[in-house]
Amino acid sequence: QSVLTQPPSVSGAPGQRVSISCTGSSSNLGTGYDVHWYQQLPGTAPKLLISANSNRPSGVPDRFSGSKSGTSASLAISGLQAEDEADYYCQSYDSSLSGWVFGGGTRLTVL
Amino acid sequence: QLQLQESGPGLVKPSETLSLTCTVSDGSISSSTYYWGWVRQPPGKGLEWIASVYYSGTTFYNPSLKSRVTISVDKSKNQFSLRLSAVTTADTAVYYCARLRYFGWYFDLWGRGTLVTVSS
Repeated sequence: QSVLTQPPSVSGAPGQRVSISCTGSSSNLGTGYDVHWYQQLPGTAPKLLISANSNRPSGVPDRFSGSKSGTSASLAISGLQAEDEADYYCQSYDSSLSGWVFGGGTRLTVL
Repeated sequence: QLQLQESGPGLVKPSETLSLTCTVSDGSISSSTYYWGWVRQPPGKGLEWIASVYYSGTTFYNPSLKSRVTISVDKSKNQFSLRLSAVTTADTAVYYCARLRYFGWYFDLWGRGTLVTVSS
């Protein structure tokens, strides 16, 4: 059971927009800690996709966007492409655990 | 561009100690901007933070693993290391070392990962 809750899977057709939710609690997202998102392509290491709720590192397409409100956050991917098929993880800091926590991950399938 | 590279045995026997090292190249482990950490991923499962260390030696541990884990830093070698004792098959995973940005608390750079299998 992950501290941050994500849907196990989402899917969409090329060109469509999908969103992935990440739900936390009062000891992480709800207390003001930022949420960050990672993309893990098959057989590779995770890669930072979105930092501090909505910031895209250099090189990340603007098709990817993030938002956070209260104890929830969301990653949106617009203009879906086949290369976006991957696992996506949210991450934050938890004050009760005094450590860093991940969501269980969401597998994106491009139909 | 700073790079991280994990190294260590790929096979460990049950009840023994898993030891891994992460070498930081093209950059300094003594940067005040970053912590350094270990994250693991069992086959087919999600990511789990294990431990983090600052160049000064300050450490943070996942409470669920704390009794078995030690993380340390060797500034002279630009390396940091992980030791996990009394391993079981549940510790079989890909182990990643990663750079943890101090302001923001996110992992902005990852090693390629190394698979450690616990088996007799």
